[in-house]
Amino acid sequence: AQKITQTQPGMFVQEKEAVTLDCTYDTSDPSYGLFWYKQPSSGEMIFLIYQGSYDQQNATEGRYSLNFQKARKSANLVISASQLGDSAMYFCAMREENTGRRALTFGSGTRLQVQP
Amino acid sequence: DSGVTQTPKHLITATGQRVTLRCSPRSGDLSVYWYQQSLDQGLQFLIQYYNGEERAKGNILERFSAQQFPDLHSELNLSSLELGDSALYFCASSVGGPVGETQYFGPGTRLLVL
Repeated sequence: AQKITQTQPGMFVQEKEAVTLDCTYDTSDPSYGLFWYKQPSSGEMIFLIYQGSYDQQNATEGRYSLNFQKARKSANLVISASQLGDSAMYFCAMREENTGRRALTFGSGTRLQVQP
Repeated sequence: DSGVTQTPKHLITATGQRVTLRCSPRSGDLSVYWYQQSLDQGLQFLIQYYNGEERAKGNILERFSAQQFPDLHSELNLSSLELGDSALYFCASSVGGPVGETQYFGPGTRLLVL
């Protein structure tokens, strides 16, 4: 069964610094996708970045990049130049592509607080 | 704004009651997913519809049901509500086709059962 693990319940970072949020996953499906979502205190889930298991390069979207290490089954989110507005919960999620079930499995999340 | 709409935003009801949550997917999206976010269970997949047909079931209770209508909006029905059903219920939508497609989430419906 697929599983996502986020071991950092909470993280602090200084404004303008970079921060890495950890995510490890477990799956036997060779084709899978990894996603990161941001959930601010207002509650909505905002898609940040996607990495496919066959992608050769790490995904990047603006200040977000995904450090994908397939052999270690990790998909860490790196946020560069942190801003106060980055304070939120961050969820790592995975979807196995060969099962026919397209739903996401989420980790428990990491609460990031950016300090001025 | 993800383009996915959910109503109502907040719902307060009593144990034993029945409620209906509504979701309109993004224009062009055929798949709708329902997720429940609670403090003790985290984010859990409930059910998926694709173009009006049930596609996959997750941890959905028998007291809960859903459907997707011809105009592709979806409704999640929760009945015989219990205190533990209090949660944030999300609808997400996607095109429903390619590998790697992204699910976009609505703002959620916050349900409080008293």
